Amino acid sequence: DAKTTQPTSMDCAEGRAANLPCNHSTISGNEYVYWYRQIHSQGPQYIIHGLKNNETNEMASLIITEDRKSSTLILPHATLRDTAVYYCIVSFNDYKLSFGAGTTVTVRA
Amino acid sequence: KAGVTQTPRYLIKTRGQQVTLSCSPISGHRSVSWYQQTPGQGLQFLFEYFSETQRNKGNFPGRFSGRQFSNSRSEMNVSTLELGDSALYLCASSPDEGPWYFGPGTRLLVL
Repeated sequence: DAKTTQPTSMDCAEGRAANLPCNHSTISGNEYVYWYRQIHSQGPQYIIHGLKNNETNEMASLIITEDRKSSTLILPHATLRDTAVYYCIVSFNDYKLSFGAGTTVTVRA
Repeated sequence: KAGVTQTPRYLIKTRGQQVTLSCSPISGHRSVSWYQQTPGQGLQFLFEYFSETQRNKGNFPGRFSGRQFSNSRSEMNVSTLELGDSALYLCASSPDEGPWYFGPGTRLLVL
């Protein structure tokens, strides 16, 4: 019952910014947007989350549109180690995350 | 801070056996949740605990159970193992009303 839509896959050149889109048109007012990534066979890694304002941390930036129906995760300078499956999840305190299929991002040298 | 730890990391069992997996959350985190990841079904939520109480449960048969101890450590148990239970089992902890942080997982193979 994932509530988000993401492209299945995307490629990115090493050193360039990677912009990962996510649609969440049915998001409700109190739901946060979370981004996680999973490198092959490891546990998902938390990247960033936000409610309505844009957020930035040491890993990435999160841009949420004003109507909150979509968001973009930006990896400013992609490296080969950023190759992973990226998951966009909307959630509000139901004590769980509903993972979809995510976007497989391949960073190429 | 140390991250979420899970033991064992790898496990091989045979059909019909039972298995117990262990999870130690990040220090100070009182919420623990469990997920199953398989190639066919992806990441699926099993259950979540806070202060030794289960607050949410996913759509899994009763063979899957869990518990949380007073020190926030958690265990999950799968009884009467089936081949389809082969999966990566992931534990995550949260400071409650915050992001979830995942452990490395326990890879279970049922033969």
